[in-house]
Amino acid sequence: GEDVEQSLFLSVREGDSSVINCTYTDSSSTYLYWYKQEPGAGLQLLTYIFSNMDMKQDQRLTVLLNKKDKHLSLRIADTQTGDSAIYFCAESIPGTYKYIFGTGTRLKVLA
Amino acid sequence: DAGVTQSPTHLIKTRGQQVTLRCSPKSGHDTVSWYQQALGQGPQFIFQYYEEEERQRGNFPDRFSGHQFPNYSSELNVNALLLGDSALYLCASSLRTGFLEQYFGPGTRLTVT
Repeated sequence: GEDVEQSLFLSVREGDSSVINCTYTDSSSTYLYWYKQEPGAGLQLLTYIFSNMDMKQDQRLTVLLNKKDKHLSLRIADTQTGDSAIYFCAESIPGTYKYIFGTGTRLKVLA
Repeated sequence: DAGVTQSPTHLIKTRGQQVTLRCSPKSGHDTVSWYQQALGQGPQFIFQYYEEEERQRGNFPDRFSGHQFPNYSSELNVNALLLGDSALYLCASSLRTGFLEQYFGPGTRLTVT
């Protein structure tokens, strides 16, 4: 089946690291994505990883993939107030042009 | 470089009416996908257009239809509106060969009363 699950809320203090988690169900080779949505805005692609990779780092962002558990995480180092937003995990379905999105994790950064 | 643009920003319609939403893709992009995002939910894939044809469809009824024009812009039409169609409608564009990277517009907020 096609399903992507995320926890709903995360609150961290400014300067700390944030870790947002996601689980997915499709067992085929696939791409997995992290998007950011700020209030009143569309989705901004942050980063993506192919399912044969374990880790990808891009400046303050680190993506970790546990293929066995179908678990994906996004770590944001030195979290800033501007990082407050909703973060969506998504996977592309092999053989189709579809993306499946999770319900989103609302990150609140406390000053 | 213009990003993805959508119009209108907000729209209020009555049950049973029809609505048309518009999307202009990012410059150089040839593929347009539409998503419905209900309040508190993630985006749900409606369909994707490439070369003026629908090439993939999600689990949405036939009341949802679309069109892509030769300049790659696209329309989403919804007939016989239901209260449950109230949502943010997002358009995303990409290159056929670079489907990995979808760029999203700011969305159209549709309210059905």
